Amino acid sequence: DIQMTQSPSSLSASVGDRVTITCRASQTINNYLNWYQQKPGKAPKILIYAASSLQSGVPSRFSGSGSGTDFSLTISRLQPEDVATYFCQQSYSTSWTFGQGTKVEIK
Amino acid sequence: QVQLVQSGAEVKKPGASVKVSCKASGYIFIDYYIYWVRQAPGQGLEWMGWINPHNGGTKYAQKFQGRVTLTRDTSISTVYMELSGLTSVDTAIYFCARDSRVVVPGTMYNWFDPWGPGTLVSVSS
Repeated sequence: DIQMTQSPSSLSASVGDRVTITCRASQTINNYLNWYQQKPGKAPKILIYAASSLQSGVPSRFSGSGSGTDFSLTISRLQPEDVATYFCQQSYSTSWTFGQGTKVEIK
Repeated sequence: QVQLVQSGAEVKKPGASVKVSCKASGYIFIDYYIYWVRQAPGQGLEWMGWINPHNGGTKYAQKFQGRVTLTRDTSISTVYMELSGLTSVDTAIYFCARDSRVVVPGTMYNWFDPWGPGTLVSVSS
C-alpha cells in the first residue's frame, strides 16, 4: 500500500497567519491527492481534489499544490473557523490511504 | 440533495459481529461506489473497503480481509458493512462516503463526498 506521511502532526498559529501542511507519498502518485478538513465531532469534508482543484464552496484562502510525491495545503490567512484536523489522501491506488492528520489550532 | 444516513450506535461484546447500514438518497444509487472508513478515538482515518452498488463488486483493505463484508440492497438504496470477530481495538466511528469524481481527458479523479454522519461502535466486555 502507498504510505502517506503528513507534517507537522499539529501546529498553533495566529489569526491571519499563513499556514502550510505538507504530505509525502511513499511512491509517485502524480497529482492524485485529496485534502479533507475534519472538525471535532463531524465527518470529514473535501477541500481540494487532484492536488490543486478547490472544491465548490470552499473558501479561496485554501489552496493545494504539488505533484509526484510531495504536496502541500496552504491556508493563506488563518481564520477561527479553520480550527480542525486536516488529512491528505491518495487516490492513485484503489487501496485508498490517508495521512495521519495535522491538527490546526489558534494561538 | 445527496445524503447518506447511517444506523445508530452499537455496543458489542468481544467476539461478536456488527452490521452498520448506510442509506443513500438524492442520486442514482447504482451509479456511485460507496466507501467505508473508520476512525478510532483520537486517531486518524482508515479506509476499510468499497462496494460497487451496480454489481456488488467489492475491494477490502488487506488489514480487514476475512473480517469485513460489504453488501448492498438496491431496492432500498442501502449499503451494509459487517465486521466480525470484534475486539476492543475495533471501537471506532464508522463512516460511509460516496464516490465523487471528475473526468478529464485521459484520466479521472475521485474523492469521498459526501460522508455519512458516522456510527459509533463500542466493543466492551
